[in-house]
Amino acid sequence: DGGITQSPKYLFRKEGQNVTLSCEQNLNHDAMYWYRQDPGQGLRLIYYSQIVNDFQKGDIAEGYSVSREKKESFPLTVTSAQKNPTAFYLCASKDRGGGETQYFGPGTRLLVL
Amino acid sequence: RKEVEQDPGPFNVPEGATVAFNCTYSNSASQSFFWYRQDCRKEPKLLMSVYSSGNEDGRFTAQLNRASQYISLLIRDSKLSDSATYLCAVRLRSSASKIIFGSGTRLSIRP
Repeated sequence: DGGITQSPKYLFRKEGQNVTLSCEQNLNHDAMYWYRQDPGQGLRLIYYSQIVNDFQKGDIAEGYSVSREKKESFPLTVTSAQKNPTAFYLCASKDRGGGETQYFGPGTRLLVL
Repeated sequence: RKEVEQDPGPFNVPEGATVAFNCTYSNSASQSFFWYRQDCRKEPKLLMSVYSSGNEDGRFTAQLNRASQYISLLIRDSKLSDSATYLCAVRLRSSASKIIFGSGTRLSIRP
């Protein structure tokens, strides 16, 4: 089946630890995105990538890093510099060639111990 | 001022009622508009795109008012299964990829 997968579904982070969230898509989409959602809040853009080996900061990039070495993969690292990382993280992808619809993965819930 | 604003709700309406939400956007260069539905603890899913002339999909009608810079979503004959959070999203003309989301409006349909 075509779609976007995120893993793990739940992730626990200790203080001062870096963690990496996985996002894979087999939709052959060029653009990929990472959003953060806090309880009762909307989606805030962390990073996005329009093409392999290129990415741009979103509105809340501090404390996060990404890479885009392959078209189908866009992992997000939550670094120890992110002081309030507890949130629901959503990955999405979109066809850059004119397609408008963003498709979302099932999300990863990150909790700080 | 937020780029995309929505009334957070919750809207609590009886089954069968008609309910409408608005979403305002601040950038007049906004080009594309969407409504997404998000169920509790799930990912958002596209409900419908919003076209300039307005569009309808079954019980759902979306409209765009460029002069006043808002989009609306109307749900007729609401069902219990319509209970969810509805997010509006906007894409600027200057950015092919960046889409900005509102905070969402919670809708609860009661029997």
